Amino acid sequence: GAGVSQSPSNKVTEKGKDVELRCDPISGHTALYWYRQRLGQGLEFLIYFQGNSAPDKSGLPSDRFSAERTGESVSTLTIQRTQQEDSAVYLCASSKKGQGAYEQYFGPGTRLTVT
Amino acid sequence: SQKIEQNSEALNIQEGKTATLTCNYTNYSPAYLQWYRQDPGRGPVFLLLIRENEKEKRKERLKVTFDTTLKQSLFHITASQPADSATYLCAFRRRGGATNKLIFGTGTLLAVQP
Repeated sequence: GAGVSQSPSNKVTEKGKDVELRCDPISGHTALYWYRQRLGQGLEFLIYFQGNSAPDKSGLPSDRFSAERTGESVSTLTIQRTQQEDSAVYLCASSKKGQGAYEQYFGPGTRLTVT
Repeated sequence: SQKIEQNSEALNIQEGKTATLTCNYTNYSPAYLQWYRQDPGRGPVFLLLIRENEKEKRKERLKVTFDTTLKQSLFHITASQPADSATYLCAFRRRGGATNKLIFGTGTLLAVQP
């Protein structure tokens, strides 16, 4: 079946512009996560959605970052007034449930470059 | 803050040998640990999960151990093959809480030489 998809695969933007990154999770997965991976670094948690519960936004680095999710489907991560330090790969993952020991299925990521 | 450490240096081994990767954590007690494989330009792929009350888990040529006293997990690949070359990430979910967010290590690059 289809895995997690993300678009665009690459995004180059100028400093100060806003960007939107999209994630389509696996159908039926109620939990959705966004991570950031800087070059040579591990994954940094950004935000987590679980069904209709309030999202866990504890990883968002600043108020320039926000994310939305429509029901249990598509999610959009928005970065406003981008800065060069925002350059990274943004990874989305989904899992069957939020609670409990469930593996996360990752998309291929969006590589964001801020010039 | 919670911290998870993996060998930052690449691990080079000969084909057929056993690769052993280390994951150490501090300042928290994981409910479980997960191991992922990441190839260049791709998202991580789940490999194995081990719970805090489990000592060892196996899957084909893979074995994971979890020592809560040492605060350490070891990941073994037996009879390694060049196709096993990749970055391996460990991640833990802390006990309790309403979120399933994972805390990831920086990963260890494994290179298996033919």
